[in-house]
Amino acid sequence: GAGVSQSPSNKVTEKGKDVELRCDPISGHTALYWYRQSLGQGLEFLIYFQGNSAPDKSGLPSDRFSAERTGGSVSTLTIQRTQQEDSAVYLCASSPTTGGTGELFFGEGSRLTVL
Amino acid sequence: AQSVTQLDSHVSVSEGTPVLLRCNYSSSYSPSLFWYVQHPNKGLQLLLKYTSAATLVKGINGFEAEFKKSETSFHLTKPSAHMSDAAEYFCVVSDPRGYNKLIFGAGTRLAVHP
Repeated sequence: GAGVSQSPSNKVTEKGKDVELRCDPISGHTALYWYRQSLGQGLEFLIYFQGNSAPDKSGLPSDRFSAERTGGSVSTLTIQRTQQEDSAVYLCASSPTTGGTGELFFGEGSRLTVL
Repeated sequence: AQSVTQLDSHVSVSEGTPVLLRCNYSSSYSPSLFWYVQHPNKGLQLLLKYTSAATLVKGINGFEAEFKKSETSFHLTKPSAHMSDAAEYFCVVSDPRGYNKLIFGAGTRLAVHP
């Protein structure tokens, strides 16, 4: 497809389990971003990748959260020992450049529910 | 530091009437400003952007916004609402000198009634 693809679209897990969320950006987009959308917190920046490097990971809420990007393409966001407050929609976005044009192309998100 | 404040969490209009979604921003430098729209169970989509060119910006689906530096505002308007405009709208700010680290407002949910 031509857009940003995220999987799974829905994930229900038990507290304490690890989860992996995948993002497949638009082909050729060098920049990739993860955001989290939750009730009461709105949309929060998590991490930014330029190629396979993450120059800004300042939004990751704790050391239980990590992300990687390989081949300048697919990215995986991993949450270890999930907690109920991790329940949210995790959005991935990509852009063709890193300049501040503001046009990010978003996926439809992965909805995570931690029981 | 940058921030945006969306002044209304919910706006309800009748089909065919004007839409006004209000946004104020705070920035220590000349920012880039955007409106994004999120339809139910859909990804966020860029509606329009201001990047220091014309202060009146036209976007998709008949929306426009005016950058007013003196009022630090970037309100979104549309002359005539359509049922398909029902969605959540986000005012967004970023530093044009950097990468696309977007700071989102809390969102305004627009309801359109027949």
